[in-house]
Amino acid sequence: RKEVEQDPGPFNVPEGATVAFNCTYSNSASQSFFWYRQDCRKEPKLLMSVYSSGNEDGRFTAQLNRASQYISLLIRDSKLSDSATYLCVVNMAGGYQKVTFGTGTKLQVIP
Amino acid sequence: DVKVTQSSRYLVKRTGEKVFLECVQDMDHENMFWYRQDPGLGLRLIYFSYDVKMKEKGDIPEGYSVSREKKERFSLILESASTNQTSMYLCASSFIPRQGPYEQYFGPGTRLTVT
Repeated sequence: RKEVEQDPGPFNVPEGATVAFNCTYSNSASQSFFWYRQDCRKEPKLLMSVYSSGNEDGRFTAQLNRASQYISLLIRDSKLSDSATYLCVVNMAGGYQKVTFGTGTKLQVIP
Repeated sequence: DVKVTQSSRYLVKRTGEKVFLECVQDMDHENMFWYRQDPGLGLRLIYFSYDVKMKEKGDIPEGYSVSREKKERFSLILESASTNQTSMYLCASSFIPRQGPYEQYFGPGTRLTVT
């Protein structure tokens, strides 16, 4: 089983739609969780951290379910500019800031 | 604004050549990382460094070495390039926070083709 697994997509959604991605992780001792965004032919950039209580940043909501070992990202009112690949990132316990990236979920928002 | 720069955006090398990829960050970050990104495999950690002259192997270090002589610079070396090292190479840097990993800032990437 992969350490971090994501549905590669693509998710094709119309503008204004709500879309959600999940990411599962295998190590129950994982401590920190993040969503990164990567635009086509660009470098990844941090979108948001994922906190135990769940957190929201504008149209984006991230949640953590430790019991089932997954994190989720919800995007409301999708914009064309949200089209990108969303990478799930997990910090396995221990180590010098080493994190594991998922392979990403591709989102395409269509007009 | 954090800036991570990489020496080349595109590089074409021949099999057996020694290849140097350079990365420089301007935010005095302790941690620096080298990843490669391949379709369907995502980002995989090659090596990382948490201090000058310190390095640790990542998940796929075979065929690579690194050098960190100055805090701001982290070099990836392919001693004898092979075609299976054709990939996008991404450098990143971060602080060492008191708790948990911190945001990693990425450079624009170097697309290396080995023929």
